[in-house]
Amino acid sequence: EAQVTQNPRYLITVTGKKLTVTCSQNMNHEYMSWYRQDPGLGLRQIYYSMNVEVTDKGDVPEGYKVSRKEKRNFPLILESPSPNQTSLYFCASSLSSGLHYGYTFGSGTRLTVV
Amino acid sequence: DQQVKQNSPSLSVQEGRISILNCDYTNSMFDYFLWYKKYPAEGPTFLISISSIKDKNEDGRFTVFLNKSAKHLSLHIVPSQPGDSAVYFCAATRSNAGKSTFGDGTTLTVKP
Repeated sequence: EAQVTQNPRYLITVTGKKLTVTCSQNMNHEYMSWYRQDPGLGLRQIYYSMNVEVTDKGDVPEGYKVSRKEKRNFPLILESPSPNQTSLYFCASSLSSGLHYGYTFGSGTRLTVV
Repeated sequence: DQQVKQNSPSLSVQEGRISILNCDYTNSMFDYFLWYKKYPAEGPTFLISISSIKDKNEDGRFTVFLNKSAKHLSLHIVPSQPGDSAVYFCAATRSNAGKSTFGDGTTLTVKP
């Protein structure tokens, strides 16, 4: 089944403790992206990658890191999480930049930083 | 500065009637627009897209209209079904750019 898999689905952590949210897709998509969803703010783009070893900042990159060493994986790293990073996170992938067929999204990771 | 806005947080319609969801944008450089549907506890799923060279695109019960001069797009669902009840996001992007900008979403409720 074609899909984007995020892990974990739920995570509660403490301020300052480094964490990684994994994202993997099995559709051979070039493009991958991370979004966060907050009440009243919609989906905001954190980082995106047009292909392997190519990453760029979205609208809210502060406090996050990403890497794209393989085509299928695009992990999101929070080096020192803070409470304002409590949010619902989505990974997405697509052929090219998702113009014609849109993105395929993962099921989301709900992160709570206390 | 919110470049994509969905001014109606919620919309309620009767089953069988038309649902019209609206979206406004400010950046004239956007040339592709997409609609996504999201159910609770799931990621958004792609519905339909439209290029700025068109003013209408249809896919079954879903039609998207684009008015470039007004920087406005709308999604029409006809006829509406209870299974259409979800949050709908519009998104705008520039071709050859990696960034997509989403609106806040509109929660559609279709009553049986």
